[in-house]
Amino acid sequence: AQSVTQLDSQVPVFEEAPVELRCNYSSSVSVYLFWYVQYPNQGLQLLLKYLSGSTLVESINGFEAEFNKSQTSFHLRKPSVHISDTAEYFCAVKGFGGGTSYGKLTFGQGTILTVHP
Amino acid sequence: KAGVTQTPRYLIKTRGQQVTLSCSPISGHRSVSWYQQTPGQGLQFLFEYFSETQRNKGNFPGRFSGRQFSNSRSEMNVSTLELGDSALYLCASSLGTSGGTDTQYFGPGTRLTVL
Repeated sequence: AQSVTQLDSQVPVFEEAPVELRCNYSSSVSVYLFWYVQYPNQGLQLLLKYLSGSTLVESINGFEAEFNKSQTSFHLRKPSVHISDTAEYFCAVKGFGGGTSYGKLTFGQGTILTVHP
Repeated sequence: KAGVTQTPRYLIKTRGQQVTLSCSPISGHRSVSWYQQTPGQGLQFLFEYFSETQRNKGNFPGRFSGRQFSNSRSEMNVSTLELGDSALYLCASSLGTSGGTDTQYFGPGTRLTVL
């Protein structure tokens, strides 16, 4: 079984400031890691994912996340945020292989990022 | 390529009724997963279908059921609706193979309100 903890429910920040959204996970098996973003009245969009290889993964819109196996963390960072980054962000994990992992993402409770002008 | 579509987008029902929600996956995707999103419980996995078979199931009562058709379209049904079933229901499609590394793509959701 897996669980995900997003340490901040809300993060307010000013435009052009850096931001970090924290995510820790717990799992009895190896996992894949994901960050999704949800804009108001919309579904979830994949921001980035870690499957294997380099522990630092990047998205096309300037976000990055680093997988830290020893700390079981996958924090999301952006060096300079824009007003358009205002949204809710979800960290998720998926167990390796099949069985009880088939098609199942386990999500954190979400972090609402609000970027102020 | 068209994305995941869900119909209807909004539904209002009363307690005791039943409801059916529909999800059309991205062309070529054979796996459909369903999630319930509520302010209190967050995003919770309901079940996953692949090639018309349920492969995985979350911890929801039997009132929640689903099926998948040969064209990979999926429906979920909730019978004997309760107030607590009010939620955004999201479906996600993926290829369903590759040992779980394939990405899930989400639809816009169906907002169900139970009065």
